[in-house]
Amino acid sequence: QVQLVESGGGLVKPGGSLRLSCTTSGFTFSDYYMNWIRQAPGKGLEWVSYISTSGSYTKYTDSVKGRFTISRDNAKTSLYLQMNGLRAEDTAVYYCARVLSGSDEPPSDYWGQGTLVTVSS
Amino acid sequence: SYVLAQPPSVSVAPGETARIACGGNNFGTKSVHWYQQKPGQAPVLVIYYDSDRPSGIPERFSGSKSGNTATLTISRVEAGDEADYYCQVWDSSRDHRGVFGTGTKVTVL
Repeated sequence: QVQLVESGGGLVKPGGSLRLSCTTSGFTFSDYYMNWIRQAPGKGLEWVSYISTSGSYTKYTDSVKGRFTISRDNAKTSLYLQMNGLRAEDTAVYYCARVLSGSDEPPSDYWGQGTLVTVSS
Repeated sequence: SYVLAQPPSVSVAPGETARIACGGNNFGTKSVHWYQQKPGQAPVLVIYYDSDRPSGIPERFSGSKSGNTATLTISRVEAGDEADYYCQVWDSSRDHRGVFGTGTKVTVL
């Protein structure tokens, strides 16, 4: 069965860095685009970034552009999010999600359980 | 930026029908997806491409779209349907970025 497991969250000071990982299994990872989506405490969902199957094409929401970098290792079936220059407003649960293939406007059909990132001094 | 508006809350008695609206511009050109999120859990896809239902999702969940409004309908509501529901589209006007609705809390009375 499809599984996505995030790790790497924790407490970090403003301006600090953190690298999130998403380890996957149960599907051919290299065939799927992948998303990072976050949810601040008590708030709604916010799309953060996506990456193409080869990793050559990426997109970011404006608030993280230039600070966050999405990447993937298809050999390790893993997705990453390098987060630099962290701010208090980046505090959230970060989910990785598989993008259903087959169209230009696909849903995220499988999600991990999330990892909590807290940015505080 | 592209905005998807949802009512903050919907209350429904067991066995009745819940309808959750999601409004945005140019919906006719976009595919709308719906996610259910129960407390402390990750979101689950319940409707995609406006009205398709993933395997394992009960037939009580259905989706529709008309003009600039998409609707998630939950028929014969059960206590287990109590959750937050989010709509989602891709904003191609801003170089293809994901957008989620503001979310609707469904309360089963």
